[in-house]
Amino acid sequence: EIVLTQSPGTLSLSPGERATLSCRASQSVSSSYLAWYQQKPGQAPRLLIYGASSRATGIPDRFSGSGSGTDFTLTISRLEPEDFAVYYCQQYGSSPVTFGGGTKVEIK
Amino acid sequence: QLQLQESGPGLVKPSETLSLTCTVSGGSISSSSYYWGWIRQPPGKGLEWIGSIYYSGSTYYNPSLKSRVTISVDTSKNQFSLKLSSVTAADTAVYYCARHHWAPGGYYYMDVWGKGTTVTVSS
Repeated sequence: EIVLTQSPGTLSLSPGERATLSCRASQSVSSSYLAWYQQKPGQAPRLLIYGASSRATGIPDRFSGSGSGTDFTLTISRLEPEDFAVYYCQQYGSSPVTFGGGTKVEIK
Repeated sequence: QLQLQESGPGLVKPSETLSLTCTVSGGSISSSSYYWGWIRQPPGKGLEWIGSIYYSGSTYYNPSLKSRVTISVDTSKNQFSLKLSSVTAADTAVYYCARHHWAPGGYYYMDVWGKGTTVTVSS
């Protein structure tokens, strides 16, 4: 199975700053089938990005995804207070689908 | 607006079978392009995909759990269910049901999630 490694584990930033989150796969993710989710405490994950770069319905354009092959990035251009959360990547090019371990974006 | 709601016992004894049901409202479970499935999250940890089912009954399971997992569907009730046998404390987690959006030539991402239900395995 494909192992996804997210870095950093924790990102400490201030509102208004830019956040760059990394997701690296143990082997190439076919067709750039990579998704990103946001999870806040006590809530279910919410789909942000699919197909590496396509925003899900209702997701603000400050969220963007990029990458291909084994290296993917989620960028939040200007952090809003509601963006402080844990972010997970997920590959769905191979079975079983797998998730990364998460990156926590916390308020500095 | 599509909604998913998990239901089932919050406490299961070791070696017994965990059983959960997901009720889909605001849409049909028989929609094409979608599978329906389960993901779990142990306390303080990340997400683990358990398995999925199509309305026709076709299933995919995570190999790490395959020997213990059964997912079934009841289209007349717009529900699908999870059974996980021979549970241990390691199966304690929040269990989410989710709509799985199928990608051509690939598998799926999860675009609609239930709120999750906590299941504790303890005697």
